[in-house]
Amino acid sequence: DGGITQSPKYLFRKEGQNVTLSCEQNLNHDAMYWYRQDPGQGLRLIYYSQIVNDFQKGDIAEGYSVSREKKESFPLTVTSAQKNPTAFYLCASSIGLLTTYEQYFGPGTRLTVT
Amino acid sequence: AQSVTQLDSQVPVFEEAPVELRCNYSSSVSVYLFWYVQYPNQGLQLLLKYLSGSTLVKGINGFEAEFNKSQTSFHLRKPSVHISDTAEYFCAVSEFSGTYKYIFGTGTRLKVLA
Repeated sequence: DGGITQSPKYLFRKEGQNVTLSCEQNLNHDAMYWYRQDPGQGLRLIYYSQIVNDFQKGDIAEGYSVSREKKESFPLTVTSAQKNPTAFYLCASSIGLLTTYEQYFGPGTRLTVT
Repeated sequence: AQSVTQLDSQVPVFEEAPVELRCNYSSSVSVYLFWYVQYPNQGLQLLLKYLSGSTLVKGINGFEAEFNKSQTSFHLRKPSVHISDTAEYFCAVSEFSGTYKYIFGTGTRLKVLA
């Protein structure tokens, strides 16, 4: 079955530590995205990537970094510079970076930083 | 500036009753419109989308939505809800005006009561 996998489902870290969230897709999609979801705020775009080795900042990129070395993979690193990292993180992909395309979402990773 | 408004954060409704979830947007260019559903602790999945053509769009699980350009709305409806429809529903609007824009509303939590 094609889809997007995110691991782990739950992640706990101490404040001041960097943490990397995994996102893998086998849909052969070119575009991939990372969103942050907080209660009452909907989804906010962190980073997106149109092709391998290229990515763009979204609306809330500060304190986050990404890489896109392979088409299938788009890991997100939450750095210690992110002031409020506790949130639900969603990875998504689409065929391309056209605004007519729907996005396919992974199951999400809930990160708790204490 | 583009924005998406879902005025109702929560909508309780009895089983087999009709429901309407409201979505309004603002944009200075042509837009594409989407409704996604999110079940607890899961990613989002597409319910339906409007790209062009007929303003009444039918989606999965018996949902439909109507694009109203003059009122800049894209309300989601279902004539008879089931307990299994309990979830959070997100309206999304995309446009391309020089940069990629795909914006989600803050979500409406639909709770179907027995």
